[in-house]
Amino acid sequence: EVQLVESGGGLIQPGGSLRLSCAASGFTVSSNYMSWVRQAPGKGLEWVSVIYSGGNTFYADSVKGRFTISRDNSKNTLYLQMNSLRAEDTAVYYCAYSGSIGPGSVDYWGQGTLVTVSS
Amino acid sequence: EIVLTQSPDFQSVTPKEKVTITCRASQSIGSGLHWYQQKPDQSPKLLIKYASQSFSGVPSRFSGSGSGTDFTLTINSLEAEDAATYYCHQSTSLPFTFGGGTKVEIK
Repeated sequence: EVQLVESGGGLIQPGGSLRLSCAASGFTVSSNYMSWVRQAPGKGLEWVSVIYSGGNTFYADSVKGRFTISRDNSKNTLYLQMNSLRAEDTAVYYCAYSGSIGPGSVDYWGQGTLVTVSS
Repeated sequence: EIVLTQSPDFQSVTPKEKVTITCRASQSIGSGLHWYQQKPDQSPKLLIKYASQSFSGVPSRFSGSGSGTDFTLTINSLEAEDAATYYCHQSTSLPFTFGGGTKVEIK
């Protein structure tokens, strides 16, 4: 059974940094396509970043140069390092699993972790 | 960037009615279009992948169709538990994008 458990969210001041974690079980993170998707309060879904099984990474323009997606194979965990945070980064961040064939549909979602950027 | 435009933004429907939600892409995306359901305070859930493939465990009243730029999610015989916001999502072209969502309310 695929399970995704995010952690690391919280209140952070503008300009600060935060690292989100997504502990996975039921599959091997390094063999699959994984993403981060966020949702600002009361708003729709926004794709943030993806890491391919081969290690390639891609980002939304809104976070490029500030956010880094990575994984730790020994811990079977996905990460999102967020630097230079802005008020508009305030959102629930979801860890997303797309399987091993390609970065297609998000078959499973984590429960989300809330990041609030405010002074 | 491919823009996905959903319509309508909101729909109020009585139980057992048929619901149709459309998603239009700003350029052709083949069949790389997926549909999700999100209920209040819950994570999204996959309903339909690659335009028309039902995801495991999804009730048969949910179906998808379309290709290229025009896609449709249909809910046959709406049930009270289907009250939610529905999103389309394209994975054909980076950056991947989502539609703005369609909120379905039960009358």
